[in-house]
Amino acid sequence: SQELEQSPQSLIVQEGKNLTINCTSSKTLYGLYWYKQKYGEGLIFLMMLQKGGEEKSHEKITAKLDEKKQQSSLHITASQPSHAGIYLCGALSEIYGGATNKLIFGTGTLLAVQP
Amino acid sequence: EAQVTQNPRYLITVTGKKLTVTCSQNMNHEYMSWYRQDPGLGLRQIYYSMNVEVTDKGDVPEGYKVSRKEKRNFPLILESPSPNQTSLYFCASSLRAAIYNSPLHFGNGTRLTVT
Repeated sequence: SQELEQSPQSLIVQEGKNLTINCTSSKTLYGLYWYKQKYGEGLIFLMMLQKGGEEKSHEKITAKLDEKKQQSSLHITASQPSHAGIYLCGALSEIYGGATNKLIFGTGTLLAVQP
Repeated sequence: EAQVTQNPRYLITVTGKKLTVTCSQNMNHEYMSWYRQDPGLGLRQIYYSMNVEVTDKGDVPEGYKVSRKEKRNFPLILESPSPNQTSLYFCASSLRAAIYNSPLHFGNGTRLTVT
């Protein structure tokens, strides 16, 4: 079955530093979502990528989907304490070469930002 | 305010005592889904609903029931809870099914403990 692997599992950075989180799939990614979760709370939608090579930005967060549509990265520039939380990638699962209605998630990356 | 509302936020119960976790959305969304989140396992889909009276199993449906009699509500029922159902549960909704690249909106979660 398709799985989404996120790396790193956890990350501690100093305020102001840049960082990158990766999401890798063994199959083609049809619709890749990035969410942020504060501990014990609901997930907040950040961005969605569909096309190979696509890149989107929101404030200081940039997400990219590679040309092969098997890996996505989330880059935070000049990190702030407000960026701390768990970042999850989600994607439509693939079956028989096509997308399904099921959204699967990676296990998340825990980000801590030290002031 | 557009939102997905789950109740209760916290619940402690004993094995075998039937319980219901309610979920309501005020965005006229067609698609609703339940997930459970466990350490190391990430988010796993329990059940989903494409529209009123249309429900289907996700990855981990055993021990759960759902119903979708109205568009706005999608309760999760545990007929006979067991300790392995101790988890953090999320309800989510989207305007249309996932395959149409419609982002999920999540509730704030229900932390369930079964002793």
